Amino acid sequence: DIQLTQSPSFLSASVGDRVTITCRASQGISSYLAWYHQKPGKAPKLLVYAASTLQSGVPSRFSGSGSGTEFTLTISSLQPEDFATYYCQHLNSYFLTFGGGTKVEIK
Amino acid sequence: QVQLQESGPGLVKPSQTLSLTCTLFDISVTSGGYYWTWIRQHAGGGLEWMGHFYYGGSTYYNPSLESRITLSADTSKNQFSLKVTSVTAADTAVYYCARIPRLGYCTGISCLAPDYWGQGTLVTVSS
Repeated sequence: DIQLTQSPSFLSASVGDRVTITCRASQGISSYLAWYHQKPGKAPKLLVYAASTLQSGVPSRFSGSGSGTEFTLTISSLQPEDFATYYCQHLNSYFLTFGGGTKVEIK
Repeated sequence: QVQLQESGPGLVKPSQTLSLTCTLFDISVTSGGYYWTWIRQHAGGGLEWMGHFYYGGSTYYNPSLESRITLSADTSKNQFSLKVTSVTAADTAVYYCARIPRLGYCTGISCLAPDYWGQGTLVTVSS
């Protein structure tokens, strides 16, 4: 089964910073990768799907890129509401997997 | 507005069966264009996929849980459910239900990525 490895697992940043999170797949997954963020006590929220397509209603400061085995989520200018844990996710019809998460905290 | 809502006991005794239901609003569980899934999250931990299915089709389970879990649909109530047998403290978690658009049915929406989630329900396994 495909494994997703996120890095870093923890990130400290300031409001206005540009932030990049990486997700590496153990084998090629084309562009079938999504990104979520999750705040304490809340369900995950879909940000990006198909590696680079922004979910409706998600601010344009979020962007995704990559294909095959390496993917990135970039926040161009970190806002206070962006401090959360971020997860990547892949589904190949019969097995769904998440990355281990990246916690973005205020510096 | 599509909504999903989990319900079920918040406390289950060890060795018993955990049963949760996800009620759907503004979408039918019989919609063949979607997988329906359960995902759980242990306190302070990451997200763990448990299984998913689509109505009239196949059901897929996480191999680590496959011997203990069952997913099913109740079309009369527009719900789907999760059963986990022989629970232990390790099954204490927040449980989420979610919708996943299937490949071939997801033009303009998120193929193979859970897009609508319930709010989650905490289940504690304790005597």
